Amino acid sequence: KAGVTQTPRYLIKTRGQQVTLSCSPISGHRSVSWYQQTPGQGLQFLFEYFSETQRNKGNFPGRFSGRQFSNSRSEMNVSTLELGDSALYLCASSSHGQSNEQFFGPGTRLTVL
Amino acid sequence: AQKITQTQPGMFVQEKEAVTLDCTYDTSDQSYGLFWYKQPSSGEMIFLIYQGSYDEQNATEGRYSLNFQKARKSANLVISASQLGDSAMYFCAMREPPTGNQFYFGTGTSLTVIP
Repeated sequence: KAGVTQTPRYLIKTRGQQVTLSCSPISGHRSVSWYQQTPGQGLQFLFEYFSETQRNKGNFPGRFSGRQFSNSRSEMNVSTLELGDSALYLCASSSHGQSNEQFFGPGTRLTVL
Repeated sequence: AQKITQTQPGMFVQEKEAVTLDCTYDTSDQSYGLFWYKQPSSGEMIFLIYQGSYDEQNATEGRYSLNFQKARKSANLVISASQLGDSAMYFCAMREPPTGNQFYFGTGTSLTVIP
């Protein structure tokens, strides 16, 4: 069974641009969560999608948005990039509502110049 | 207040020795889940072990065990017979109800195994 995949793995953008990150969960998993990891703030929850609906949302500005498709693949979009958005963005998938396991992808490392 | 607290930024352990990584949590819910993840330098988060708040027995997974003390709100990870490949960041996390998979993570402990 293939694991969680994230594309692209590395990304360099400049301030003011927008970016879209993609996450494909493990086959059969319906829950996809996104996290931002920075040295200063650690791992912070962005949002979770379950069956194409946003179920939980962390404390991030509206520049951060996401969506989930019918095949459970999820995208995360960040508009008007700021230097502080430089981070490792991790996606995690779970099989159902409240899973005892959450499997993470390798992450997308975003650098904003 | 922090939901998850890991007070050891860095730990060293001799190869083949056991090591305990500390984690305390804060919640007013009765039903919650506690997790430990390992993050090598490659960046990927690897699930290690899970403990449910209603589980009476401590969880074990191979060389990993979770020392769950509910009254003290602690969920320490014990790694037995440390190996060089155990060198990594270790994160404690908690999931709270009522729905969803929103996880709260601690700041992590960097473990270095010395040969």
